Amino acid sequence: GIQVEQSPPDLILQEGANSTLRCNFSDSVNNLQWFHQNPWGQLINLFYIPSGTKQNGRLSATTVATERYSLLYISSSQTTDSGVYFCAVGDNAGNMLTFGGGTRLMVKP
Amino acid sequence: NAGVTQTPKFQVLKTGQSMTLQCAQDMNHNSMYWYRQDPGMGLRLIYYSASEGTTDKGEVPNGYNVSRLNKREFSLRLESAAPSQTSVYFCASDLQGDTEAFFGQGTRLTVV
Repeated sequence: GIQVEQSPPDLILQEGANSTLRCNFSDSVNNLQWFHQNPWGQLINLFYIPSGTKQNGRLSATTVATERYSLLYISSSQTTDSGVYFCAVGDNAGNMLTFGGGTRLMVKP
Repeated sequence: NAGVTQTPKFQVLKTGQSMTLQCAQDMNHNSMYWYRQDPGMGLRLIYYSASEGTTDKGEVPNGYNVSRLNKREFSLRLESAAPSQTSVYFCASDLQGDTEAFFGQGTRLTVV
């Protein structure tokens, strides 16, 4: 099956700093999503982005499908950005999402 | 619009007991999924239902059964719970396999 690797595994930032999270995948994808899992365990949809670039406030994402990676940018980080960020991809069969191991982000005040 | 609703939110079982986790979505989605998340890991697919009337195994199906009761509801059953099934279970749905998926709030299950 498709392999998904996220980096870095852990990230500690000071409030106000910017960061880039990376997601590499091993095969062609029809679906790519970024999620934020908050400290209460809830999975929050950030982006549905199988290709191209999207922005939502301080967050933006870019997927280069031909090179098999996606990037999530967080600007001017806030303590509420803390949690785990997951990348999940769907292969051409379109029947499931495969999750990466996540990036655990801590933003300090 | 409630999205994806899971019940219960928490459950403690003794080894060998059975239980059913319930999931319902109100977005008129065709596909539904059950995932498990173990500590410090990403989610892994247990079973999915691409459409009403069909179910298929995912990555970690052993010890589980599912029922797609109708288009809205997809249940997950543990027939004889084992400590290895201690996990957080998430239900998800999407319009069709390669569209944006939405997740429920999770069920935290502990098997002692």
